Amino acid sequence: DTAVSQTPKYLVTQMGNDKSIKCEQNLGHDTMYWYKQDSKKFLKIMFSYNNKELIINETVPNRFSPKSPDKAHLNLHINSLELGDSAVYFCASSQLGAIEAGANVLTFGAGSRLTVL
Amino acid sequence: KQEVTQIPAALSVPEGENLVLNCSFTDSAIYNLQWFRQDPGKGLTSLLLIQSSQREQTSGRLNASLDKSSGRSTLYIAASQPGDSATYLCVLLNSGYALNFGKGTSLLVTP
Repeated sequence: DTAVSQTPKYLVTQMGNDKSIKCEQNLGHDTMYWYKQDSKKFLKIMFSYNNKELIINETVPNRFSPKSPDKAHLNLHINSLELGDSAVYFCASSQLGAIEAGANVLTFGAGSRLTVL
Repeated sequence: KQEVTQIPAALSVPEGENLVLNCSFTDSAIYNLQWFRQDPGKGLTSLLLIQSSQREQTSGRLNASLDKSSGRSTLYIAASQPGDSATYLCVLLNSGYALNFGKGTSLLVTP
C-alpha cells in the first residue's frame, strides 16, 4: 500500500488553464505539505496543513489554493496556469508529537510533474 | 530564518571509496534531521532520521551524525557503489514542521 499517493503523476496543460493535483496519505499523520521542485531541483515548501488547518503559507501566489477536506487529504488547485508553474510538485506528510515516539518523520509522495505549454 | 547548506553541490568518486556529505544549518533549535536520496525523475526516499537528542544513526553502509552545537550533520557512505548515485538531501524539522531543505549533493559513483 502506497503511504503517500499523488495524482496525476504527469500533467501537461496550456497556459491559462486551471488544474488540480490530489494527495492522500494512509499513515494516520496529522500534518501534510506541498513542496515545489523547480528546474534546478531545489525543494521549496509551499503550504503545510495540520489537522485540516493551514499553518504555513510561504509567499505563494494566490493562484495556488490548497484544500484539506480531512487530515488524510491535501489537494492543490492552481488557477490561470503560467509557464513558471512548470515543476514537480511533491506532497508529504508527518506526524507532530513526541520525537521519542518516532514522530516527525517526513514521508513523500512520488511527485506530480506539471508542464505548462 | 533557518538556512541549510549542503556541501559539496556535486561529487564524483570511483566505486569503493568512502565519502562524506555535509549539511550545515544556522539555528540549532531543531527537532529532527532527516536525510533523503532522490533518483533522477523520482521521488524522495528516506535514508536516516536523527532525533534532536541523538548524535548519530546507522543503516547498513550509511552513517549520519548530528552536532547541534556546531550546526552540522554529516552523511557517511562506506564502500560506495554505482547504485549510490543520486542526489542526497537533508531537511530540518523546526518546531516539528519540515520547512528547510538543503539544495542537495549530486553524487556520481563510477564503476
